[in-house]
Amino acid sequence: DTEVTQTPKHLVMGMTNKKSLKCEQHMGHRAMYWYKQKAKKPPELMFVYSYEKLSINESVPSRFSPECPNSSLLNLHLHALQPEDSALYLCASSQVGGNSYNEQFFGPGTRLTVL
Amino acid sequence: QKEVEQNSGPLSVPEGAIASLNCTYSDRVSQSFFWYRQYSGKSPELIMSIYSNGDKEDGRFTAQLNKASQYVSLLIRDSQPSDSATYLCAVKKGGSEKLVFGKGMKLTVNP
Repeated sequence: DTEVTQTPKHLVMGMTNKKSLKCEQHMGHRAMYWYKQKAKKPPELMFVYSYEKLSINESVPSRFSPECPNSSLLNLHLHALQPEDSALYLCASSQVGGNSYNEQFFGPGTRLTVL
Repeated sequence: QKEVEQNSGPLSVPEGAIASLNCTYSDRVSQSFFWYRQYSGKSPELIMSIYSNGDKEDGRFTAQLNKASQYVSLLIRDSQPSDSATYLCAVKKGGSEKLVFGKGMKLTVNP
């Protein structure tokens, strides 16, 4: 059983809608990640939060807006998306620093369709 | 040269055989290496991590790392139909949270 949860599992939205994806981890990790994955492609990093601060933004369009309310929660706010944004959106978490090699564990993902 | 390269496959093996998946990486400062398994329509699942040269075994899975050759592999012994999935190699540099993925190899184990 995954200890990273994501809601919703599926989301269909129009190009003018505003929606949010939610992620929660229960492992005490201090880094959280958003990835986008298109069919038959590897996950593509979008954002990294470390200790609730945005540490990496991979030049993601502003129609994607991340938010980290606390160390266990990560949101991705969506606005004015395009059909090409349809993909599987994955959240992951990991430890930071220390002697751990900080393995990343993925949630089950949100399947997003933009009409 | 891509940072992480995997043979795109697909790879097909009979049940009970050894499946061998390979990955090379370009950045010598890479320190941590991971194999993820991804079933169709599901999210990636971490199955092996390796950080030191040599072999690391976990059940039917063996990860091999050769930092001099910048090469990491995954062997699956006694392959089962349930091993049929896409396997993703991922590499992380020390001090960075960023994982760089290979493009994945689709494995099919035929009963």
